[in-house]
Amino acid sequence: AQSVTQLGSHVSVSEGALVLLRCNYSSSVPPYLFWYVQYPNQGLQLLLKYTSAATLVKGINDFEAEFKKSETSFHLTKPSAHMSDAAEYFCAVRGSNYKLTFGKGTLLTVNP
Amino acid sequence: GAVVSQHPSRVICKSGTSVKIECRSLDFQATTMFWYRQFPKQSLMLMATSNEGSKATYEQGVEKDKFLINHASLTLSTLTVTSAHPEDSSFYICSARLPGNTGELFFGEGSRLTVL
Repeated sequence: AQSVTQLGSHVSVSEGALVLLRCNYSSSVPPYLFWYVQYPNQGLQLLLKYTSAATLVKGINDFEAEFKKSETSFHLTKPSAHMSDAAEYFCAVRGSNYKLTFGKGTLLTVNP
Repeated sequence: GAVVSQHPSRVICKSGTSVKIECRSLDFQATTMFWYRQFPKQSLMLMATSNEGSKATYEQGVEKDKFLINHASLTLSTLTVTSAHPEDSSFYICSARLPGNTGELFFGEGSRLTVL
């Protein structure tokens, strides 16, 4: 079985500051991991994914995440936050039959 | 990237009526689509897996007679909320699986259902 834990339901940063959103996973098989972003009343947009290739994954809008097997983590980072980054972020792990299990989400607020 | 479209984006209906939500993959054929439900400020909960040409597979606790899923073609899956009640009010999101080994999922824009 798979599960995802996102530490911190709400993260607030200043514009230009580092963004760090935490995700820990549990998986009975080598995991495929994903980060999605959701803007209000919209669907999910894929930021990046880990599929057992490079452990440091680069995504869109300068986001990146590092897969650390020893820590069962897949934290999302961005060097410099923009106001447009304010949104809900979901970490997900893929299980059998391509089903995704999502974390509870982290709301990112960017302050001017 | 691939495009998945949902319609309608918003729907308001009276209690007891049925509502149909469509999910279309616009530029690829999707043998598998997924339907999720999202409550305010919460995560996505998988409701069912929709397989083209066969019956949907429902997650535990999801009423299949309440939430009818039809995947009649490789580009269209529909979710019908039957005899809707206020507690069915929610944000419903579909995703379609890209064919091939990566099986990447693309999400629709979501449909907000409000049952009065």
